[in-house]
Amino acid sequence: AQTVTQSQPEMSVQEAETVTLSCTYDTSESDYYLFWYKQPPSRQMILVIRQEAYKQQNATENRFSVNFQKAAKSFSLKISDSQLGDAAMYFCAYRVNYGQNFVFGPGTRLSVLP
Amino acid sequence: DGGITQSPKYLFRKEGQNVTLSCEQNLNHDAMYWYRQDPGQGLRLIYYSQIVNDFQKGDIAEGYSVSREKKESFPLTVTSAQKNPTAFYLCASTPAWLSAGELFFGEGSRLTVL
Repeated sequence: AQTVTQSQPEMSVQEAETVTLSCTYDTSESDYYLFWYKQPPSRQMILVIRQEAYKQQNATENRFSVNFQKAAKSFSLKISDSQLGDAAMYFCAYRVNYGQNFVFGPGTRLSVLP
Repeated sequence: DGGITQSPKYLFRKEGQNVTLSCEQNLNHDAMYWYRQDPGQGLRLIYYSQIVNDFQKGDIAEGYSVSREKKESFPLTVTSAQKNPTAFYLCASTPAWLSAGELFFGEGSRLTVL
């Protein structure tokens, strides 16, 4: 069975600094997709970034980028120039290609310090 | 605007009562999902449905039931058999035909058993 691990239950970062959230996953599949979701205090889940496993290039969305290491099964999220609005729970998720199941990690709570 | 609407946002229930959480989407998505979120934990899959009149159990289906009579609607009933129903419930959807599609989420429903 696929599993997703986020080893950092909580992290903090100073405003304007950079922080990296870790995610590892376990799968025997070769074709899959990885996602980072943000859940702010409003509890609304928001997609931050996605990565296709067949792409070697790391995905980037403005201040958010990933470091995807397929062989190591690692998918970390880097947030640059952190802002107060980035404070939230962040969930790493996995989906096998054409699969209907999404597997979520336990989440990392990020605090942004002014 | 397209999206997923969950209602009610907050619900209180006495022990022994069944309650139904509503989830409606106007995104024309085929697949719909129900997740449960407990404090400090990730999302756990309760049920999912890929097409009308068909649904599958997730990891924690015991004590829950669903129906999918219309493409747009996927209500979740929390029955009296659910031992610890107090939680935050999230409904989500994705276009099943798009293998790489991410999940779109509703705003959630908070159920409290008194």
